[in-house]
Amino acid sequence: DAMVIQNPRYQVTQFGKPVTLSCSQTLNHNVMYWYQQKSSQAPKLLFHYYDKDFNNEADTPDNFQSRRPNTSFCFLDIRSPGLGDAAMYLCATSRGGTPGETQYFGPGTRLLVL
Amino acid sequence: DQQVKQNSPSLSVQEGRISILNCDYTNSMFDYFLWYKKYPAEGPTFLISISSIKDKNEDGRFTVFLNKSAKHLSLHIVPSQPGDSAVYFCAANEAGSYQLTFGKGTKLSVIP
Repeated sequence: DAMVIQNPRYQVTQFGKPVTLSCSQTLNHNVMYWYQQKSSQAPKLLFHYYDKDFNNEADTPDNFQSRRPNTSFCFLDIRSPGLGDAAMYLCATSRGGTPGETQYFGPGTRLLVL
Repeated sequence: DQQVKQNSPSLSVQEGRISILNCDYTNSMFDYFLWYKKYPAEGPTFLISISSIKDKNEDGRFTVFLNKSAKHLSLHIVPSQPGDSAVYFCAANEAGSYQLTFGKGTKLSVIP
């Protein structure tokens, strides 16, 4: 089955220690997204890639970076995690035909910062 | 400043009855709306959508209604089934943007 895969499902890191979350897709979609969702909050878009074009949301902290080495993979790097970065991180993809099209989500990685 | 609001954090409905989930938005530039369903330990999955040129879209047991003048949409599930128990997110898109703006979600519990 075509899908969006996120590894690991749970990640524990220490305050200030860089961490990388990964996402892969077998849908061959052009667009990949990273969302942050804190408890009882709405998912919040951090950035997205349209193919290799990176699009950062205006209020995404500089502490968050992303890489997309190829169509299938996208990484979220948190350079110096703070306690406030503990959240669920959701990766999503879409075909890239039209803005607003359906996004397909992975199961998420829950990040805990100690 | 929430542009998409789901004011009911939770809703309980008896099996077989209608579930109505509500969503309000403030951004008049939104022109496409989606509902996602999320089970625990899974990512959100797309359920149904509606364009601003329509006021109703139906897919099986699921119907979404849009009232543009009131900036309000609702999701109706008829009849509700225990498997519908999940968190439902309303999301909105502005023309030309890839960004989806989500509400905080409503947890639906369908009681057998």
